[in-house]
Amino acid sequence: GENVEQHPSTLSVQEGDSAVIKCTYSDSASNYFPWYKQELGKGPQLIIDIRSNVGEKKDQRIAVTLNKTAKHFSLHITETQPEDSAVYFCAALRDRGSTLGRLYFGRGTQLTVWP
Amino acid sequence: DTEVTQTPKHLVMGMTNKKSLKCEQHMGHRAMYWYKQKAKKPPELMFVYSYEKLSINESVPSRFSPECPNSSLLNLHLHALQPEDSALYLCASSQDAGGGTQYFGPGTRLLVL
Repeated sequence: GENVEQHPSTLSVQEGDSAVIKCTYSDSASNYFPWYKQELGKGPQLIIDIRSNVGEKKDQRIAVTLNKTAKHFSLHITETQPEDSAVYFCAALRDRGSTLGRLYFGRGTQLTVWP
Repeated sequence: DTEVTQTPKHLVMGMTNKKSLKCEQHMGHRAMYWYKQKAKKPPELMFVYSYEKLSINESVPSRFSPECPNSSLLNLHLHALQPEDSALYLCASSQDAGGGTQYFGPGTRLLVL
């Protein structure tokens, strides 16, 4: 099956700085890569996603890059704010095939943004 | 609207109790999921329903019994749980089970005494 590694496990930044979280995956057939933000006591919220036919996607202060050859993808948050503090999970999924509906998650990154 | 709702928000139950968790979505999604999440861990898949039929059971103990009454509703029936079953139970849905974006509900925080 798929194996998703996520680093770092914790990340502390000053407000206004950038934050980068990196993930690698093992199954070259994975073709969909979402990022979820989970605040304390809440469910995971999709913040951005990317498909394997795209190298980069941006939504305001958040961007995701994908390198299919190296099998890694990254989340970039610019101009961080205290409300960005949360646990971030990357995930990978193979659209179609035997891994029906199974998202493989990374272990999560606790991001803390200090004012 | 990408909302998945779950009730109750919190649940405390004894090991001999029977309770049910409920999940609802009105996005027209045909796949629905149950996940279990322990503190500081990623969600773990339990069950997948596709077009109201159970398509994946991740070897979950029989004390957890899922049910999909219709395409908008998903239940998880709980019976004779153990303290180690205490966790956040998350429901999710997606357009179909072959892939695509999964949207999560807020979860039910379960404590088994």
